Amino acid sequence: KAGVTQTPRYLIKTRGQQVTLSCSPISGHRSVSWYQQTPGQGLQFLFEYFSETQRNKGNFPGRFSGRQFSNSRSEMNVSTLELGDSALYLCASSLAFRLVDTQYFGPGTRLTVL
Amino acid sequence: KQEVTQIPAALSVPEGENLVLNCSFTDSAIYNLQWFRQDPGKGLTSLLLIQSSQREQTSGRLNASLDKSSGRSTLYIAASQPGDSATYLCAAWDTGNQFYFGTGTSLTVIP
Repeated sequence: KAGVTQTPRYLIKTRGQQVTLSCSPISGHRSVSWYQQTPGQGLQFLFEYFSETQRNKGNFPGRFSGRQFSNSRSEMNVSTLELGDSALYLCASSLAFRLVDTQYFGPGTRLTVL
Repeated sequence: KQEVTQIPAALSVPEGENLVLNCSFTDSAIYNLQWFRQDPGKGLTSLLLIQSSQREQTSGRLNASLDKSSGRSTLYIAASQPGDSATYLCAAWDTGNQFYFGTGTSLTVIP
């Protein structure tokens, strides 16, 4: 069974631009969660989607948004990029809602904002 | 707000040694606690998940315990191997529907 895939793996943007990251979960998984990892703040939870609905959201500004499609694939969008948005963005999928099940992580998308 | 702390931040041990990694959380109202490992430049690998009603979980050489009343979890690694070298993270999913990661412990197992 294929693992979680994320595209693109690396991305360079400039301040003010917007970016869309994609995550394809493991087949059959209906929950997708997104995380941001930076050296200063560590790993932080962004949001969780289940059956095309955002179920939970971390403490991030409205510039960070996401969506999930009927095939469970998910996209994350960051608008008006800031230098501090430079980070590794990880997505994870699991079978169940509310993260009561094991999460499987993708390799991440490394975003650099110049 | 939940705070999750891991001590020590870094640990270096000789191969074959048994070791314990610690994770502390400030709010005992959690659904579960998970342990992950992260290898350099890679995503996370889930190791063990302990539901709030459980006291421990075991997988191979790994054993994780949870004591909600004291706000602590420990990850025990038996007979450590160089391949165990990685950063270990704990994370708590609390009843406020937020998921908080610890600060991580960087483990080096010396051959």
